[in-house]
Amino acid sequence: DAKTTQPNSMESNEEEPVHLPCNHSTISGTDYIHWYRQLPSQGPEYVIHGLTSNVNNRMASLAIAEDRKSSTLILHRATLRDAAVYYCILRDKGLGSGSRLTFGEGTQLTVNP
Amino acid sequence: EAQVTQNPRYLITVTGKKLTVTCSQNMNHEYMSWYRQDPGLGLRQIYYSMNVEVTDKGDVPEGYKVSRKEKRNFPLILESPSPNQTSLYFCASSLSSRTGVSYEQYFGPGTRLTVT
Repeated sequence: DAKTTQPNSMESNEEEPVHLPCNHSTISGTDYIHWYRQLPSQGPEYVIHGLTSNVNNRMASLAIAEDRKSSTLILHRATLRDAAVYYCILRDKGLGSGSRLTFGEGTQLTVNP
Repeated sequence: EAQVTQNPRYLITVTGKKLTVTCSQNMNHEYMSWYRQDPGLGLRQIYYSMNVEVTDKGDVPEGYKVSRKEKRNFPLILESPSPNQTSLYFCASSLSSRTGVSYEQYFGPGTRLTVT
């Protein structure tokens, strides 16, 4: 199964952009790239996902490398509430082949006031 | 409100005493899944279900059972719990992909299980 690699931790200052990297060099053509985050004492929360093209939503942007072997989650203006563990995971399209998920170790994002 | 609920939220039990953790979703999702989370190991998938009566093993299925008799419910069963199953458990659900579209997963609040 394809795995992801993320830095253990990153720090940012409030109201500055944050770029969270993820490597997935063994990604298959049918894997979507999903990002979730987990605040303390809560379940993971969906952030964004994409396949090949860059994606934007109200929470973040996802930049996917042309070869799809890496991606970057971009928080445009970090707030204290963005402090969490961010997980980059791969999700198969699930066209009858199952939908096993591979969570990375996650990146602990600290946001300084 | 769209949500995934789990019960109980906290449970302390003894080795060998069968237990069930319930999971229910109100979003008519086909796909449901169970994860465990342990320090230093991240989230690992235990079992998942693509639809009613369809279940499959994840990465760490040993010592667990699941069933999917109804679309909304996906209970996790520990027939004979052991201390190494002490963990934080999460249930999740999503729409199931049929056309190559990938959907977000909704996670429950978690069940903290301690087996002594």
